[in-house]
Amino acid sequence: GAVVSQHPSRVICKSGTSVKIECRSLDFQATTMFWYRQFPKKSLMLMATSNEGSKATYEQGVEKDKFLINHASLTLSTLTVTSAHPEDSSFYICSGLRGGPSDEQFFGPGTRLTVL
Amino acid sequence: RKEVEQDPGPFNVPEGATVAFNCTYSNSASQSFFWYRQDCRKEPKLLMSVYSSGNEDGRFTAQLNRASQYISLLIRDSKLSDSATYLCVVFGNQFYFGTGTSLTVIP
Repeated sequence: GAVVSQHPSRVICKSGTSVKIECRSLDFQATTMFWYRQFPKKSLMLMATSNEGSKATYEQGVEKDKFLINHASLTLSTLTVTSAHPEDSSFYICSGLRGGPSDEQFFGPGTRLTVL
Repeated sequence: RKEVEQDPGPFNVPEGATVAFNCTYSNSASQSFFWYRQDCRKEPKLLMSVYSSGNEDGRFTAQLNRASQYISLLIRDSKLSDSATYLCVVFGNQFYFGTGTSLTVIP
């Protein structure tokens, strides 16, 4: 399978700070990347779809000014959680879409964010 | 109605057992189907894509029934290491995830 890295894997920050999470596709080009968050024992919730060179498409209820997404290249997308609050604490996972007939997604290892 | 529905389980089975999971989807125009495996506090990993003709990978068999709009995953000869949550994923105009089915294989 294809490899997606995510950095950092874990971050603890104070309320009000901004946190940047990087997602990289290491061995394929991902014109589309996705950002999810996951609460304990729940399924993934799609936050936004990130397309290289264009603005991200956010799901209903996700604040685009709160969760800034930049997909600067075919191998890198970033998610910045601005002015983080404790309710933003979650597991954030990115994925890259490997093109081809089967539309397979490959996930990064996730970032566990804890906002104090 | 949810786009993708799965029985959350949990399924607790003895080692060596055969276990099957089903997943139904609502959009008949869905194009691609997948099973992912997710271990606790880890990211989902692609287990297998599901093809119209059905496909097998070792102890795992996936099938698609377009007429009834469901996909299935069969695990034969369960191992302790198969314990995980299995996510059904369907792609139509976007990816839709099931809530996952929890499997615990007991020694």
